[in-house]
Amino acid sequence: KQEVTQIPAALSVPEGENLVLNCSFTDSAIYNLQWFRQDPGKGLTSLLLIQSSQREQTSGRLNASLDKSSGRSTLYIAASQPGDSATYLCATPGNTPLVFGKGTRLSVIA
Amino acid sequence: GAVVSQHPSRVICKSGTSVKIECRSLDFQATTMFWYRQFPKQSLMLMATSNEGSKATYEQGVEKDKFLINHASLTLSTLTVTSAHPEDSSFYICSAPQRGSSTDTQYFGPGTRLTVL
Repeated sequence: KQEVTQIPAALSVPEGENLVLNCSFTDSAIYNLQWFRQDPGKGLTSLLLIQSSQREQTSGRLNASLDKSSGRSTLYIAASQPGDSATYLCATPGNTPLVFGKGTRLSVIA
Repeated sequence: GAVVSQHPSRVICKSGTSVKIECRSLDFQATTMFWYRQFPKQSLMLMATSNEGSKATYEQGVEKDKFLINHASLTLSTLTVTSAHPEDSSFYICSAPQRGSSTDTQYFGPGTRLTVL
């Protein structure tokens, strides 16, 4: 059974700092991996989707990497802004139910 | 990208009443939809898999008679919380996978906040 773990559970950084969020999964036979953002009381916003054949994806200030062999993915946020404050979730998606990590609550302080 | 909608976005009801939540894929067909529940400060947990034209598949610990799922068409799945109790208060989110030529991507609805008084 797939298990997804995210570290740290919470992170507080000053504005402008670069940061890395970590995601690990127990079953490396994943179809792909997806990073989401969730604002308080809101639904999910998909940020990046990495196919199992890819090693990374970039969108603006976000870069996600995937290492299937080690069961790890990272989300790199460059030059963080207060508007980046949210909970970030990783999950293994595809056409099967997603397995989510518990998320990392990020606070970017102006 | 594809869009999945949910209705209502927020509902408050009295204990003992039933509440229906709709999940629609707006620009693609979804033979499968997933229903998740999220308690405060917790991650999303899968409740059930909704299958068009057949019975839903429920996760262990989820009461199928309490959480009725109907996948009436290729674009609509409904979740009915029957005889709701305060402990059913939660954030309910649906998702639908869109089949692609090279990849399957899941799209999420905006969620429904249920508060049972």
